[in-house]
Amino acid sequence: GNSVTQMEGPVTLSEEAFLTINCTYTATGYPSLFWYVQYPGEGLQLLLKATKADDKGSNKGFEATYRKETTSFHLEKGSVQVSDSAVYFCALNGRDDKIIFGKGTRLHILP
Amino acid sequence: EAGVAQSPRYKIIEKRQSVAFWCNPISGHATLYWYQQILGQGPKLLIQFQNNGVVDDSQLPKDRFSAERLKGVDSTLKIQPAKLEDSAVYLCASSLVGGGGTGELFFGEGSRLTVL
Repeated sequence: GNSVTQMEGPVTLSEEAFLTINCTYTATGYPSLFWYVQYPGEGLQLLLKATKADDKGSNKGFEATYRKETTSFHLEKGSVQVSDSAVYFCALNGRDDKIIFGKGTRLHILP
Repeated sequence: EAGVAQSPRYKIIEKRQSVAFWCNPISGHATLYWYQQILGQGPKLLIQFQNNGVVDDSQLPKDRFSAERLKGVDSTLKIQPAKLEDSAVYLCASSLVGGGGTGELFFGEGSRLTVL
């Protein structure tokens, strides 16, 4: 079946550092890919998405590129801020229209 | 626009007791989901409704969990009897279409259940 694997956390960085959170997937066909974020005390919300190969999703300085050849959708940001501290979830939607989430990566940004 | 509403936010019960969670999706959203999020894990889909019909409940433990969505609007998730391993956050989400493809899920803040 479909699955998502993302790097384990927590990830701790200093402010203005470069961020990468790895995500790989297994799916039949061509899924849509998502990054969701959960800020402390808040519900999950969509951060960015990509619906086909080579698409790049971007939002709030974050980017992720849909790489079909490596079945990956890594999240990147060039300069993180303290306010980016949150839990980040990689997710996919396969042909069966079910959204499957990874286990989440907790990110701590130090001032 | 009002978001997805859930209640209660927190619930503590003893094992073998029952509990019910309520969800009111965003107005006009046809699809409603219930996810279970155990500490340290990603959300796991329990049940998906399209209007008032069940699309997928393959991961719902039907011997103790039940859910309904009367009139295709709000929904209730019930656990009876609860077990220790049911301690989790129960997330409700809704979407305009099936959530698939370019669809986006909108989540409520969740209901945190502790079973003692």
